[in-house]
Amino acid sequence: DAGVIQSPRHEVTEMGQEVTLRCKPISGHNSLFWYRQTMMRGLELLIYFNNNVPIDDSGMPEDRFSAKMPNASFSTLKIQPSEPRDSAVYFCASSRTSGAAYEQFFGPGTRLTVL
Amino acid sequence: SQKIEQNSEALNIQEGKTATLTCNYTNYSPAYLQWYRQDPGRGPVFLLLIRENEKEKRKERLKVTFDTTLKQSLFHITASQPADSATYLCALLNQAGTALIFGKGTTLSVSS
Repeated sequence: DAGVIQSPRHEVTEMGQEVTLRCKPISGHNSLFWYRQTMMRGLELLIYFNNNVPIDDSGMPEDRFSAKMPNASFSTLKIQPSEPRDSAVYFCASSRTSGAAYEQFFGPGTRLTVL
Repeated sequence: SQKIEQNSEALNIQEGKTATLTCNYTNYSPAYLQWYRQDPGRGPVFLLLIRENEKEKRKERLKVTFDTTLKQSLFHITASQPADSATYLCALLNQAGTALIFGKGTTLSVSS
């Protein structure tokens, strides 16, 4: 199995630009999670999808952030417009079961730098 | 709100010793607790899961305990090796069951 795939691995952009991060979960997994990791705040959940439906988006910081999961094998996280404080590593994770109770498989992350 | 603390940012030990990492939580009783390992530049990797009705779980050189009275989990690595050097994250299931709340991690360094 290829594991969770994320692209791009690194993204450098200027403030105000739109950024789109992509994720392909492990085939057959029902749950998908987007996280953000910074030194100050650690690893924080942004949004959780179950069977392609957003279940918990309480961690999405503001309207500039949006996430979609059009099918079971693809999800995007979009930031528009981006700001320097959005600089972080963004991880996508998937899980075989519904909910967050069980093992999550993380992708390698996307390091985002907003200048 | 749910709060989780890993009370050591860094832990340095010698090869062969047992490393013990601590995770404390407040304000609620999670049904599940997980431990992950994270290496620099990589995503977290799942290690162990323990349920509230389990006192202890083992996997090879790893042992996790879960004390719901003390609201604490301990993570032990016995016979530690330099390859065990990494950041270890504790994660609790939130009350809704929809999210893991992660601690900030403890960075373990094992010297030979």
